[in-house]
Amino acid sequence: LAKTTQPISMDSYEGQEVNITCSHNNIATNDYITWYQQFPSQGPRFIIQGYKTKVTNEVASLFIPADRKSSTLSLPRVSLSDTAVYYCLIVSGTYKYIFGTGTRLKVLA
Amino acid sequence: EAGVVQSPRYKIIEKKQPVAFWCNPISGHNTLYWYLQNLGQGPELLIRYENEEAVDDSQLPKDRFSAERLKGVDSTLKIQPAELGDSAVYLCASSFSLAGDTGELFFGEGSRLTVL
Repeated sequence: LAKTTQPISMDSYEGQEVNITCSHNNIATNDYITWYQQFPSQGPRFIIQGYKTKVTNEVASLFIPADRKSSTLSLPRVSLSDTAVYYCLIVSGTYKYIFGTGTRLKVLA
Repeated sequence: EAGVVQSPRYKIIEKKQPVAFWCNPISGHNTLYWYLQNLGQGPELLIRYENEEAVDDSQLPKDRFSAERLKGVDSTLKIQPAELGDSAVYLCASSFSLAGDTGELFFGEGSRLTVL
């Protein structure tokens, strides 16, 4: 299973775009890159998943370069309610979802 | 549609006592997971079920932890006897997984255990 590395914490201000990068050098051909968000006292929630290039949904965008050894979660114009922990996971067909320590994003007014 | 339901939300017990957590997954989800989450850490997988079969329990401390998923629906996670270090949040998640598909996980709110 590919191990992921992401920053421990980040601060941002309301209205700014936030980019969180995750490194996954050992990603396998069939693996997908998935991001989850977790608020205090709640379970993680799926944000976005991608395999290559760019994926966008109503919440975020995910950028994956051609070598797939890293990925960047982009949150456009964050608000205070985006303060949470963001986890980058590499998901394979074996259904092993391994969470790291995540990135604690704090959005400031 | 109801999400993943867990109970109890909070439990305080004394060490050496038993405790059980219950999880009702989303209807139709064939895969069920139990995770443990310590403060400031990411969730750690304890056990994964596909229907009623435990297909990955390699991280479950079997000397004191046990789990079951009768009829492939609800699941119970038990700790007996509980130790101080078991204080954590126990998360249940479910997904609908087909072979080769990376199904989205849906988590419950968790059961917070405090062992005194």
